[in-house]
Amino acid sequence: EPEVTQTPSHQVTQMGQEVILRCVPISNHLYFYWYRQILGQKVEFLVSFYNNEISEKSEIFDDQFSVERPDGSNFTLKIRSTKLEDSAMYFCASSVTGRWTDTQYFGPGTRLTVL
Amino acid sequence: DAKTTQPPSMDCAEGRAANLPCNHSTISGNEYVYWYRQIHSQGPQYIIHGLKNNETNEMASLIITEDRKSSTLILPHATLRDTAVYYCIVRPMNSGNTPLVFGKGTRLSVIA
Repeated sequence: EPEVTQTPSHQVTQMGQEVILRCVPISNHLYFYWYRQILGQKVEFLVSFYNNEISEKSEIFDDQFSVERPDGSNFTLKIRSTKLEDSAMYFCASSVTGRWTDTQYFGPGTRLTVL
Repeated sequence: DAKTTQPPSMDCAEGRAANLPCNHSTISGNEYVYWYRQIHSQGPQYIIHGLKNNETNEMASLIITEDRKSSTLILPHATLRDTAVYYCIVRPMNSGNTPLVFGKGTRLSVIA
Protein backbone atom coordinates (compact mmCIF):
# COMPACT_ATOMS: atom_id res chain seq x y z
CA GLU A 1 0.00 0.00 0.00
CA PRO A 2 1.43 3.40 -0.96
CA GLU A 3 2.44 5.61 1.94
CA VAL A 4 3.91 8.98 2.73
CA THR A 5 7.52 8.79 3.85
CA GLN A 6 9.54 11.35 5.80
CA THR A 7 13.22 11.83 6.50
CA PRO A 8 14.94 12.09 8.85
CA SER A 9 12.94 10.47 11.61
CA HIS A 10 14.75 12.61 14.18
CA GLN A 11 16.67 15.84 13.65
CA VAL A 12 18.64 17.60 16.36
CA THR A 13 19.84 21.12 15.66
CA GLN A 14 21.19 24.16 17.43
CA MET A 15 19.07 27.26 17.82
CA GLY A 16 19.52 29.60 14.89
CA GLN A 17 20.44 26.86 12.44
CA GLU A 18 18.53 26.07 9.28
CA VAL A 19 16.80 22.70 8.93
CA ILE A 20 15.14 21.02 5.99
CA LEU A 21 12.59 18.31 6.58
CA ARG A 22 11.84 16.02 3.68
CA CYS A 23 8.74 14.20 2.60
CA VAL A 24 7.86 11.93 -0.30
CA PRO A 25 4.09 12.12 -0.81
CA ILE A 26 2.05 9.30 -2.32
CA SER A 27 2.88 9.25 -6.01
CA ASN A 28 -0.46 10.15 -7.61
CA HIS A 29 -1.35 12.77 -5.01
CA LEU A 30 -1.46 16.42 -5.99
CA TYR A 31 -1.95 18.26 -2.70
CA PHE A 32 0.61 18.36 0.04
CA TYR A 33 0.51 19.54 3.64
CA TRP A 34 2.68 20.11 6.66
CA TYR A 35 1.37 19.84 10.20
CA ARG A 36 3.21 19.99 13.48
CA GLN A 37 2.59 18.72 17.00
CA ILE A 38 4.38 20.17 19.97
CA LEU A 39 4.80 17.55 22.68
CA GLY A 40 1.55 17.05 24.56
CA GLN A 41 -0.39 19.45 22.35
CA LYS A 42 -2.76 19.23 19.39
CA VAL A 43 -1.78 18.54 15.81
CA GLU A 44 -1.68 21.95 14.09
CA PHE A 45 -1.89 22.81 10.41
CA LEU A 46 1.03 24.75 8.95
CA VAL A 47 0.66 24.94 5.19
CA SER A 48 -0.89 23.36 2.12
CA PHE A 49 0.68 23.29 -1.33
CA TYR A 50 -0.61 22.65 -4.80
CA ASN A 51 0.73 23.20 -8.29
CA ASN A 52 4.00 24.57 -6.95
CA GLU A 53 2.51 27.22 -4.79
CA ILE A 54 1.13 27.67 -1.31
CA SER A 55 -2.65 27.27 -1.18
CA GLU A 56 -3.24 28.07 2.45
CA LYS A 57 -1.11 28.73 5.49
CA SER A 58 -1.71 29.20 9.17
CA GLU A 59 -0.44 32.04 11.34
CA ILE A 60 2.24 29.69 12.61
CA PHE A 61 3.77 29.57 9.12
CA ASP A 62 5.69 32.84 9.26
CA ASP A 63 8.63 34.09 7.25
CA GLN A 64 10.95 31.61 8.93
CA PHE A 65 9.18 28.77 7.15
CA SER A 66 9.18 27.88 3.49
CA VAL A 67 8.07 24.91 1.42
CA GLU A 68 9.27 23.60 -1.89
CA ARG A 69 8.76 20.76 -4.29
CA PRO A 70 12.28 20.63 -5.71
CA ASP A 71 11.62 17.67 -7.99
CA GLY A 72 8.83 15.33 -8.97
CA SER A 73 8.82 13.38 -5.74
CA ASN A 74 10.07 15.36 -2.76
CA PHE A 75 8.25 18.00 -0.73
CA THR A 76 10.32 19.93 1.77
CA LEU A 77 9.79 22.19 4.76
CA LYS A 78 12.59 24.59 5.58
CA ILE A 79 12.97 26.47 8.81
CA ARG A 80 15.53 29.21 8.27
CA SER A 81 16.59 30.04 11.80
CA THR A 82 15.26 27.55 14.31
CA LYS A 83 13.99 28.58 17.70
CA LEU A 84 13.56 26.48 20.81
CA GLU A 85 9.79 26.61 20.33
CA ASP A 86 10.11 24.95 16.92
CA SER A 87 10.83 21.68 18.70
CA ALA A 88 7.96 19.43 17.68
CA MET A 89 6.90 16.49 15.54
CA TYR A 90 6.41 17.59 11.95
CA PHE A 91 4.02 15.58 9.83
CA CYS A 92 3.72 15.66 6.09
CA ALA A 93 0.44 14.65 4.46
CA SER A 94 -0.89 14.33 0.94
CA SER A 95 -4.21 13.94 -0.80
CA VAL A 96 -5.28 13.14 -4.32
CA THR A 97 -7.31 16.30 -4.63
CA GLY A 98 -7.95 19.22 -2.35
CA ARG A 99 -11.67 18.81 -2.04
CA TRP A 100 -13.00 18.79 1.47
CA THR A 101 -14.26 15.27 0.96
CA ASP A 102 -10.80 14.02 0.18
CA THR A 103 -8.73 12.01 2.62
CA GLN A 104 -5.33 13.23 3.75
CA TYR A 105 -2.73 10.56 4.42
CA PHE A 106 0.02 11.30 6.89
CA GLY A 107 3.65 10.30 7.09
CA PRO A 108 5.30 8.96 10.25
CA GLY A 109 6.73 12.36 11.16
CA THR A 110 10.09 13.96 11.88
CA ARG A 111 10.92 14.77 15.46
CA LEU A 112 12.75 18.09 15.50
CA THR A 113 14.70 18.96 18.62
CA VAL A 114 16.15 22.45 18.84
CA LEU A 115 18.83 22.89 21.52
CA ASP B 1 -10.85 25.67 17.23
CA ALA B 2 -12.25 22.21 16.61
CA LYS B 3 -16.01 21.99 16.12
CA THR B 4 -16.32 18.71 17.96
CA THR B 5 -16.51 17.53 21.56
CA GLN B 6 -15.09 14.19 22.66
CA PRO B 7 -14.49 12.63 26.07
CA PRO B 8 -10.83 12.95 27.02
CA SER B 9 -10.32 9.27 27.74
CA MET B 10 -11.96 5.86 27.63
CA ASP B 11 -11.04 2.31 28.53
CA CYS B 12 -12.08 -0.81 26.70
CA ALA B 13 -11.43 -4.48 27.40
CA GLU B 14 -9.54 -6.34 24.72
CA GLY B 15 -11.89 -8.19 22.38
CA ARG B 16 -14.85 -6.01 23.24
CA ALA B 17 -16.36 -3.30 21.08
CA ALA B 18 -15.03 0.20 21.65
CA ASN B 19 -17.64 2.89 21.14
CA LEU B 20 -16.19 6.37 20.87
CA PRO B 21 -18.70 9.25 20.91
CA CYS B 22 -18.39 12.64 19.30
CA ASN B 23 -20.66 15.66 19.48
CA HIS B 24 -20.75 18.05 16.53
CA SER B 25 -23.93 20.00 17.17
CA THR B 26 -23.00 22.89 14.85
CA ILE B 27 -22.24 20.73 11.84
CA SER B 28 -23.44 22.15 8.53
CA GLY B 29 -25.52 20.27 6.01
CA ASN B 30 -22.71 19.21 3.72
CA GLU B 31 -19.84 18.88 6.17
CA TYR B 32 -18.39 15.41 6.54
CA VAL B 33 -17.38 13.75 9.78
CA TYR B 34 -13.89 12.25 9.67
CA TRP B 35 -12.16 10.02 12.18
CA TYR B 36 -8.41 9.71 12.51
CA ARG B 37 -6.29 8.11 15.18
CA GLN B 38 -2.75 8.66 16.40
CA ILE B 39 -0.79 5.86 17.93
CA HIS B 40 1.90 7.14 20.27
CA SER B 41 3.12 10.23 18.37
CA GLN B 42 3.05 8.52 15.00
CA GLY B 43 1.39 10.29 12.09
CA PRO B 44 -2.41 10.49 12.26
CA GLN B 45 -4.02 7.54 10.54
CA TYR B 46 -7.25 7.86 8.60
CA ILE B 47 -10.01 5.55 9.82
CA ILE B 48 -13.34 6.42 8.22
CA HIS B 49 -15.58 9.28 7.19
CA GLY B 50 -19.27 9.84 6.52
CA LEU B 51 -21.91 12.42 5.70
CA LYS B 52 -25.23 11.14 7.00
CA ASN B 53 -25.41 7.42 6.34
CA ASN B 54 -23.72 4.86 8.52
CA GLU B 55 -20.43 3.68 7.10
CA THR B 56 -18.34 0.57 7.61
CA ASN B 57 -14.89 -0.42 6.44
CA GLU B 58 -12.29 -2.96 7.46
CA MET B 59 -11.22 -0.88 10.45
CA ALA B 60 -14.40 0.46 11.96
CA SER B 61 -18.02 1.50 11.70
CA LEU B 62 -19.33 5.03 11.87
CA ILE B 63 -22.83 5.68 13.15
CA ILE B 64 -24.18 9.19 12.56
CA THR B 65 -27.41 10.26 14.24
CA GLU B 66 -30.30 11.32 12.07
CA ASP B 67 -29.94 14.97 13.08
CA ARG B 68 -26.18 14.68 12.41
CA LYS B 69 -25.38 16.37 15.70
CA SER B 70 -23.37 13.43 16.97
CA SER B 71 -21.66 10.27 15.85
CA THR B 72 -20.06 7.15 17.26
CA LEU B 73 -17.00 5.35 16.02
CA ILE B 74 -17.16 1.63 16.70
CA LEU B 75 -14.13 -0.65 16.77
CA PRO B 76 -15.92 -4.01 16.82
CA HIS B 77 -13.22 -6.11 18.49
CA ALA B 78 -10.63 -3.85 20.09
CA THR B 79 -7.07 -5.10 20.37
CA LEU B 80 -4.12 -3.74 22.33
CA ARG B 81 -2.87 -2.18 19.09
CA ASP B 82 -5.97 -0.01 18.97
CA THR B 83 -4.70 1.94 21.98
CA ALA B 84 -4.41 5.46 20.56
CA VAL B 85 -5.84 8.97 20.56
CA TYR B 86 -8.93 9.11 18.35
CA TYR B 87 -9.90 12.36 16.67
CA CYS B 88 -13.33 13.26 15.38
CA ILE B 89 -13.03 16.05 12.81
CA VAL B 90 -15.61 18.01 10.90
CA ARG B 91 -14.27 19.26 7.61
CA PRO B 92 -14.85 22.99 7.06
CA MET B 93 -16.93 24.14 4.14
CA ASN B 94 -14.13 26.07 2.44
CA SER B 95 -13.24 25.05 -1.04
CA GLY B 96 -9.78 23.92 -1.99
CA ASN B 97 -7.39 21.83 0.06
CA THR B 98 -8.88 22.44 3.44
CA PRO B 99 -6.70 21.67 6.44
CA LEU B 100 -7.78 19.22 9.09
CA VAL B 101 -8.49 20.85 12.44
CA PHE B 102 -7.55 18.48 15.24
CA GLY B 103 -8.94 18.75 18.73
CA LYS B 104 -7.64 16.93 21.77
CA GLY B 105 -9.40 13.70 20.85
CA THR B 106 -10.21 10.71 23.04
CA ARG B 107 -7.39 8.64 24.44
CA LEU B 108 -8.57 5.04 24.16
CA SER B 109 -6.80 2.51 26.32
CA VAL B 110 -7.45 -1.11 25.43
CA ILE B 111 -6.84 -3.30 28.45
CA ALA B 112 -5.90 -6.97 28.37
